[in-house]
Amino acid sequence: GAVVSQHPSRVICKSGTSVKIECRSLDFQATTMFWYRQFPKQSLMLMATSNEGSKATYEQGVEKDKFLINHASLTLSTLTVTSAHPEDSSFYICSVTDRVDTEAFFGQGTRLTVV
Amino acid sequence: AQKITQTQPGMFVQEKEAVTLDCTYDTSDQSYGLFWYKQPSSGEMIFLIYQGSYDEQNATEGRYSLNFQKARKSANLVISASQLGDSAMYFCAMRDHHSGNTPLVFGKGTRLSVIA
Repeated sequence: GAVVSQHPSRVICKSGTSVKIECRSLDFQATTMFWYRQFPKQSLMLMATSNEGSKATYEQGVEKDKFLINHASLTLSTLTVTSAHPEDSSFYICSVTDRVDTEAFFGQGTRLTVV
Repeated sequence: AQKITQTQPGMFVQEKEAVTLDCTYDTSDQSYGLFWYKQPSSGEMIFLIYQGSYDEQNATEGRYSLNFQKARKSANLVISASQLGDSAMYFCAMRDHHSGNTPLVFGKGTRLSVIA
């Protein structure tokens, strides 16, 4: 199965600063990666679909100017939380799939705390 | 649109006993996949089991089995011989098969607590 590496696993930042989260597919080329957000005691909610070489597709209610996604290569997608605020504190996790009829592979997740 | 419903926010089970976690789904697609993931407190998503909509037999993976009832649109997870390490959040999820690379849609999850 695919190996997905996400970094950092935990980050604390000051309000107003930006944070970049990396998601790497280590053993296959991922033309599509998915970014989810999970608030405490809630489920995973899809934020956006990251497409290699093109613009990301954002879910309704997700601010694309706040959550910048760059999928510059087939193995790397980045999510940048710009001008972070305490309400952005959450668990962010990326996912890739190489076949539609098999499991989705997840990164380790990033726990973001904005103070 | 696809929807997953998990009606049990929390479940308790005695160690070594079996437990069933409920999951119902709604979709207009004919070809789809159903998944169960385990999420311990660390946050990682651990894949447990997969069931394709056209699979005639229920999926099994070690102590995990999926009770798939297509007509009722249910995909319950059965964990046999529960262990203390099974205590975690469990998410049911689905994705359709015909739209290329699509994301998983998750239910709200069930928190399982295994009691010694």
